Amino acid sequence: NAGVTQTPKFRVLKTGQSMTLLCAQDMNHEYMYWYRQDPGMGLRLIHYSVGEGTTAKGEVPDGYNVSRLKKQNFLLGLESAAPSQTSVYFCASSYYVRDNEQFFGPGTRLTVL
Amino acid sequence: QQQVKQSPQSLIVQKGGIPIINCAYENTAFDYFPWYQQFPGKGPALLIAIRPDVSEKKEGRFTISFNKSAKQFSLHIMDSQPGDSATYFCAASGADKLIFGTGTRLQVFP
Repeated sequence: NAGVTQTPKFRVLKTGQSMTLLCAQDMNHEYMYWYRQDPGMGLRLIHYSVGEGTTAKGEVPDGYNVSRLKKQNFLLGLESAAPSQTSVYFCASSYYVRDNEQFFGPGTRLTVL
Repeated sequence: QQQVKQSPQSLIVQKGGIPIINCAYENTAFDYFPWYQQFPGKGPALLIAIRPDVSEKKEGRFTISFNKSAKQFSLHIMDSQPGDSATYFCAASGADKLIFGTGTRLQVFP
């Protein structure tokens, strides 16, 4: 099993450009999450999904959109990138939400110039 | 009420020392408290977790102490090793998501 994979691993964007980050999991997990990690701020939840076709806002959703068209995939989109979105992005998945381990991907390092 | 406060931000110990990382929460509805470990360039991974019906949980050299009345919990690493050098995050589970602390960077020197 590959677990949770993220594509791409690194990306540099110019302000105003758009991009999509792809997360895939092969564990048949219902729940999927997108976090951003910034120095001194820990992991902050951007959006999450409790099942195929559902999405919900997390702590810092502004400037991002998500889609969960297939159970195994969770896409994070930046429509018009801003320097404030320079961060490391992690995707995670879990089978249940309470009392259950979240499995994280290796991360995507995004720089917006 | 959704915050989890973590301290210290960084910690340096010698091999064999016992680093302690503390976390505090406000929301009494939280009922699951995991700790995640993250090595440089990797995603976080679950290290150990506790529920509020017990005051302590040990797994190998890692121990969680939980004080429900004070709404605090802490991670102790016994006989720390250089391989334990990583960033540690505490978290608390709400209704449908985890709330993470801000992280503690631990360095263990030989």
